[in-house]
Amino acid sequence: NAGVTQTPKFRILKIGQSMTLQCTQDMNHNYMYWYRQDPGMGLKLIYYSVGAGITDKGEVPNGYNVSRSTTEDFPLRLELAAPSQTSVYFCASSLPMGGTTTNEKLFFGSGTQLSVL
Amino acid sequence: GNSVTQMEGPVTLSEEAFLTINCTYTATGYPSLFWYVQYPGEGLQLLLKATKADDKGSNKGFEATYRKETTSFHLEKGSVQVSDSAVYFCALMGPFGNEKLTFGTGTRLTIIP
Repeated sequence: NAGVTQTPKFRILKIGQSMTLQCTQDMNHNYMYWYRQDPGMGLKLIYYSVGAGITDKGEVPNGYNVSRSTTEDFPLRLELAAPSQTSVYFCASSLPMGGTTTNEKLFFGSGTQLSVL
Repeated sequence: GNSVTQMEGPVTLSEEAFLTINCTYTATGYPSLFWYVQYPGEGLQLLLKATKADDKGSNKGFEATYRKETTSFHLEKGSVQVSDSAVYFCALMGPFGNEKLTFGTGTRLTIIP
């Protein structure tokens, strides 16, 4: 039972380089999310998706892009890496949240530690 | 907007000590409240939740009660173990549907044998 799988686990980038953080889930969840975790700052939502073909901005979307071509995959793209993007990135998925649902639970991947130097 | 304020850490306790990690929130209406735990090298996982006032969430010996009058959701455990060493996040989700989780800053807990 894989759950949410993120790759890579660690990466070092130079300023201005680009990369894609991969995220896939095998639970058939409609909702997927990307968070970043900075020391002492908690988790901030970057982008989220409520289904294939639908994405929307979270609190801190600048410098990132996402796509959702399938239910399983939700990659996060950094086009021009900057030191401010040094962080730990978490992908998560869930069943639909809010409204009348009682299944308000996110499943997280193990994270990608990214350093931009 | 919604916000969560968590007790600042780190917190270091001896094994079998009593644990309290404070969490207060600001939100409109009646949000759902959560505690997530992050063990070393892993992603977050749901520890417990409460969806209405006076509800008590519990799991693995941890408890938290949804207090509307004090807008709090403090995490407690009567006797901590070394295996409880982790980072604990309080979170809320607003009551209006299709809302996202708002997380606190996390509290790092270390239990010494």
